Amino acid sequence: GAVVSQHPSRVICKSGTSVKIECRSLDFQATTMFWYRQFPKQSLMLMATSNEGSKATYEQGVEKDKFLINHASLTLSTLTVTSAHPEDSSFYICSARGGAGSSYNSPLHFGNGTRLTVT
Amino acid sequence: GENVEQHPSTLSVQEGDSAVIKCTYSDSASNYFPWYKQELGKRPQLIIDIRSNVGEKKDQRIAVTLNKTAKHFSLHITETQPEDSAVYFCADLSGGYNKLIFGAGTRLAVHP
Repeated sequence: GAVVSQHPSRVICKSGTSVKIECRSLDFQATTMFWYRQFPKQSLMLMATSNEGSKATYEQGVEKDKFLINHASLTLSTLTVTSAHPEDSSFYICSARGGAGSSYNSPLHFGNGTRLTVT
Repeated sequence: GENVEQHPSTLSVQEGDSAVIKCTYSDSASNYFPWYKQELGKRPQLIIDIRSNVGEKKDQRIAVTLNKTAKHFSLHITETQPEDSAVYFCADLSGGYNKLIFGAGTRLAVHP
């Protein structure tokens, strides 16, 4: 149980275009979803926290107008990288918390990640 | 703010030896500490976690210890095998109990 599906797994886009990444909880309702970014050989850096039906909370230094997060339902959150530039190339990973019996300190379930390359 | 320091950044051991990775945290209110294993290009996989109401937890060759007074927790892998080679991240549930903050990671290499 507790599967998080993330799509696409890889995407290449041209500079200036926008890219949407989807994160779905397949067998549970995700009350909270987290978006992380990971540059090569670095740690996972939290970008934002989203709760269903409310605005996302962005971490310091993350531009909310550039990284649009929508958590319109309990099973879907999307991250849109707008006007992408080469420096946005990274591994983006979503994670979700939820399901029966879950609480604020329950384990997170991670998606497989999306490798974004901006040319 | 939230901060998790992880050491060492790289660790090389011979097969069969033990490996220990340590993390320290700053938020005294933190109460959940997971450890993740990440292989190249893949998502982090939870390998063990501990909550602040216990001092040690063990799962076969993997154990985690927590010292709340000193604000540090450690991952212990015994009888290491080449397939244990990966990057290991500690994490700390901080910031009002809602967000998971990761350490910098430890690249473990187990040599046959």
